Amino acid sequence: GESVGLHLPTLSVQEGDNSIINCAYSNSASDYFIWYKQESGKGPQFIIDIRSNMDKRQGQRVTVLLNKTVKHLSLQIAATQPGDSAVYFCAEIRGSGNTPLVFGKGTRLSVIA
Amino acid sequence: NAGVMQNPRHLVRRRGQEARLRCSPMKGHSHVYWYRQLPEEGLKFMVYLQKENIIDESGMPKERFSAEFPKEGPSILRIQQVVRGDSAAYFCASSPQGGGYTFGSGTRLTVV
Repeated sequence: GESVGLHLPTLSVQEGDNSIINCAYSNSASDYFIWYKQESGKGPQFIIDIRSNMDKRQGQRVTVLLNKTVKHLSLQIAATQPGDSAVYFCAEIRGSGNTPLVFGKGTRLSVIA
Repeated sequence: NAGVMQNPRHLVRRRGQEARLRCSPMKGHSHVYWYRQLPEEGLKFMVYLQKENIIDESGMPKERFSAEFPKEGPSILRIQQVVRGDSAAYFCASSPQGGGYTFGSGTRLTVV
């Protein structure tokens, strides 16, 4: 079946390095993607989003890249900090408006000081 | 704006008891979504409600689970006759018309 998935379940990076978290999706009809950060014991926190008519979007220290040809999404975190340690999820919306989110499995990012 | 409020934060129930999880959406949000998260897994969609209406319950188990979002008061996710496999974190999100999701901090249900 169609699903949103991630390539790597865990990622360890040195403080100050850049992090790249990947996500694959299989539904070409998805037109909106969101990256969430989830810290232990907390709910998902919005990081950045991108629509399917875009290839790249930048925020503060974060960049999301969308490759529709291979149905691949990535989250880049620049100068990773200890506070970035968390589980990161990509989510897609298959439709528009208030359609429910479909989440991937998640990648745990550990930042080594 | 207090955000999406879920309570209780932690809930322990014995097998066979009922669990009631509450979610108060953000002010101005009329759409509520419930998700379940097992340890080391992603969030799985359960149900989407608007005031007094269930819009999509495709992720809800057919038995023992129900949800409501009354005209007044919070949304309630109700699990009857809980079993150990119901132990999970349950998250609620709300959105205004048009989208834009905000999540609560979740209720962690433990069935003993």
